[in-house]
Amino acid sequence: DAKTTQPPSMDCAEGRAANLPCNHSTISGNEYVYWYRQIHSQGPQYIIHGLKNNETNEMASLIITEDRKSSTLILPHATLRDTAVYYCIVRVQGDSWGKFQFGAGTQVVVTP
Amino acid sequence: EAQVTQNPRYLITVTGKKLTVTCSQNMNHEYMSWYRQDPGLGLRQIYYSMNVEVTDKGDVPEGYKVSRKEKRNFPLILESPSPNQTSLYFCASSLVGRMNTEAFFGQGTRLTVV
Repeated sequence: DAKTTQPPSMDCAEGRAANLPCNHSTISGNEYVYWYRQIHSQGPQYIIHGLKNNETNEMASLIITEDRKSSTLILPHATLRDTAVYYCIVRVQGDSWGKFQFGAGTQVVVTP
Repeated sequence: EAQVTQNPRYLITVTGKKLTVTCSQNMNHEYMSWYRQDPGLGLRQIYYSMNVEVTDKGDVPEGYKVSRKEKRNFPLILESPSPNQTSLYFCASSLVGRMNTEAFFGQGTRLTVV
């Protein structure tokens, strides 16, 4: 299973863009990159996912490098409600394909 | 509204007293699973189910049971709870058969075993 590496924490000013990096250098060709976030003790919330093309939705943008070894989640205009732990996940294969292997994530604190 | 509903949200119980945490989803998802979350250990999968009457162990199944008699429900059973099962529990559901499906999580059940 591909592992991911994220910085443990980062701060962001309200109204500015937050750029969250993730390394997944051992990702396989058909594994997707998912991003979830967890606001204090609530259930994890899906943000976005992608295979190799950049993706954008109403919450965020996902930029995946051409070699797919890293990606960046972009929150274009961070608000205080975006303070959360952000998880970068690469989807596992095989019988347990449905499992999401959560790492430690990045604690993002948005400040006024 | 698409959702995964867990009950109860909070529970304090005593060692050895059997309990059940219920989980229900309204999205007709085949796949359901249970996770526990502990400080410093992240989210770990307890059990999962690929469909009705099909369940399998996750990473930390000891001390837990599950059943999947109906597609929408996936209860977590602690036959004899112990203090080391004090944790925050999440139920999740998703479709099967596609690599790019997202999982929906419930709001969590905070269990304290004394």
